[in-house]
Amino acid sequence: DGGITQSPKYLFRKEGQNVTLSCEQNLNHDAMYWYRQDPGQGLRLIYYSQIVNDFQKGDIAEGYSVSREKKESFPLTVTSAQKNPTAFYLCASSPSGNNQPQHFGDGTRLSIL
Amino acid sequence: DAKTTQPPSMDCAEGRAANLPCNHSTISGNEYVYWYRQIHSQGPQYIIHGLKNNETNEMASLIITEDRKSSTLILPHATLRDTAVYYCIVRVYGSARQLTFGSGTQLTVLP
Repeated sequence: DGGITQSPKYLFRKEGQNVTLSCEQNLNHDAMYWYRQDPGQGLRLIYYSQIVNDFQKGDIAEGYSVSREKKESFPLTVTSAQKNPTAFYLCASSPSGNNQPQHFGDGTRLSIL
Repeated sequence: DAKTTQPPSMDCAEGRAANLPCNHSTISGNEYVYWYRQIHSQGPQYIIHGLKNNETNEMASLIITEDRKSSTLILPHATLRDTAVYYCIVRVYGSARQLTFGSGTQLTVLP
């Protein structure tokens, strides 16, 4: 079935460690997004990419990095510079073109040891 | 993107229609109305979207008022699995940027 796969579902990070969250889609979507969700709150955009080898910062990009080497993949690295990384991370994708809805993966929950 | 206002919570009896309201009084002519829902600890699920005409799909119906300042999402026969937080979002036509999720409406379907 077509969809968005995020892995792992749960991830633990030690202080000072970088971790990478995986996001893969087989929907042939051009655009991909990373959001962060904190308890009881809405989603905040970290990074987005509208095409391979190009990406843009969202509202809370500090302490995060991304790459878009393949259309299907948009990994997010949470660096040690992100001082409050504990959150639920959601990846989404959408086709290019006007008014296309975004489709989401099931998320990765990151916690600090 | 225009701001939306939704009630924080609603209950609905199983098998009955669930009508979820959303106010977006500052919506502009090129902004679409989108509805998503999120079941606890899962990613948001797209439900439906529209510009000014009423829309229907296999999941729900979307009723947009003539002045476009408000809309209602209708789940015609709510089931227990429809219990979720429902988000109403307005978004500029052609925008590839983020969806701005507010706090949504917690819908609880009661047996």
